[in-house]
Amino acid sequence: AQSVTQLDSQVPVFEEAPVELRCNYSSSVSVYLFWYVQYPNQGLQLLLKYLSGSTLVESINGFEAEFNKSQTSFHLRKPSVHISDTAEYFCAVTLNTGNQFYFGTGTSLTVIP
Amino acid sequence: NAGVMQNPRHLVRRRGQEARLRCSPMKGHSHVYWYRQLPEEGLKFMVYLQKENIIDESGMPKERFSAEFPKEGPSILRIQQVVRGDSAAYFCASSPGGISPLHFGNGTRLTVT
Repeated sequence: AQSVTQLDSQVPVFEEAPVELRCNYSSSVSVYLFWYVQYPNQGLQLLLKYLSGSTLVESINGFEAEFNKSQTSFHLRKPSVHISDTAEYFCAVTLNTGNQFYFGTGTSLTVIP
Repeated sequence: NAGVMQNPRHLVRRRGQEARLRCSPMKGHSHVYWYRQLPEEGLKFMVYLQKENIIDESGMPKERFSAEFPKEGPSILRIQQVVRGDSAAYFCASSPGGISPLHFGNGTRLTVT
């Protein structure tokens, strides 16, 4: 069975500090990994994805995530957060067969001025 | 290229009434997913459809809930005889299939009074 675990439900962090949001998955087959961000009263927006190639992927707003197959992880990091990064972050996986997506329970990131 | 369109954005129903939520996927997308999100909770998968077919409805309650994605027109999530526990945000997502990431609408917020 496939599952996605986001270990931290809430992460408060001061502005300009670094942050890491953790995501672990379990699967017996190859997976493809995604991070989504949800701002209040909006839908989820794709932040970044790992499909193949370099295990380190980056978004346009400074986030990065590294696929670690041995640790079955896809943690999201940012070296210096802004107030505008306050949002809910969801990790998701799909299998190499595609079509079915599994989401974590989300991590609420709050950036403190 | 318009994104995933959901309507209405807000829907208020009295207990016992029917709720119909509509989702128009992105152009060229033939795969539609419905998710439910409760306050302080994650995203719960409900149903996955392709044109005219239900592929996976393992997340749908057995009674009162149904979904369709006809050959023409939007996908519809229908909730009959709504109860207060149905109050939630319902999100639709679409994809062209395979390992392509999901694109989400802004959701319909259902309130049952």
